[in-house]
Amino acid sequence: RKEVEQDPGPFNVPEGATVAFNCTYSNSASQSFFWYRQDCRKEPKLLMSVYSSGNEDGRFTAQLNRASQYISLLIRDSKLSDSATYLCVVANYNDMRFGAGTRLTVKP
Amino acid sequence: DVKVTQSSRYLVKRTGEKVFLECVQDMDHENMFWYRQDPGLGLRLIYFSYDVKMKEKGDIPEGYSVSREKKERFSLILESASTNQTSMYLCASSFGHGGYGYTFGSGTRLTVV
Repeated sequence: RKEVEQDPGPFNVPEGATVAFNCTYSNSASQSFFWYRQDCRKEPKLLMSVYSSGNEDGRFTAQLNRASQYISLLIRDSKLSDSATYLCVVANYNDMRFGAGTRLTVKP
Repeated sequence: DVKVTQSSRYLVKRTGEKVFLECVQDMDHENMFWYRQDPGLGLRLIYFSYDVKMKEKGDIPEGYSVSREKKERFSLILESASTNQTSMYLCASSFGHGGYGYTFGSGTRLTVV
């Protein structure tokens, strides 16, 4: 079993749609959680950290459920510029584990 | 802004060649990492370093070595390149622990022919 598993995608959605990505992790000792965004042929960049209480940044909402070892990312009112691969990342101290990513394409 | 610079964006090498991938960061980060990224497999950790002259194996160190002679520079060495080492190589650095402040270089796409 992979340490971090994500919906494989691809997700193809129209502009304005709401889309949700899910991620599960296997190490219950994990302490920190993140969503990264990676554009085609570019490096991953931090989108947002994920906190136990849930957190929101504009159109993006991240949720963490430690009991179920589950993380989610919700994107509301999708824009063409949201097209990218979204990586779920789980850290225990300095041990970072990356999901394989979920590709999102937002179409006009 | 933290900058992590990888020396080459694209590289083509022949099987059996010794290959050096260089990474330099400019924010005095203690921690530096080398990953490779392959479709469907995500990022896999090759080696990491928490201090000068310190190195630790990651999940897939076979066929690779590293060097950290200065705090700002972390080099990845492919001792004898093979075609299965064709991949995107990403360097990252961070401060502290827990994954915060993690910054990637722009990557080196290595093709071994």
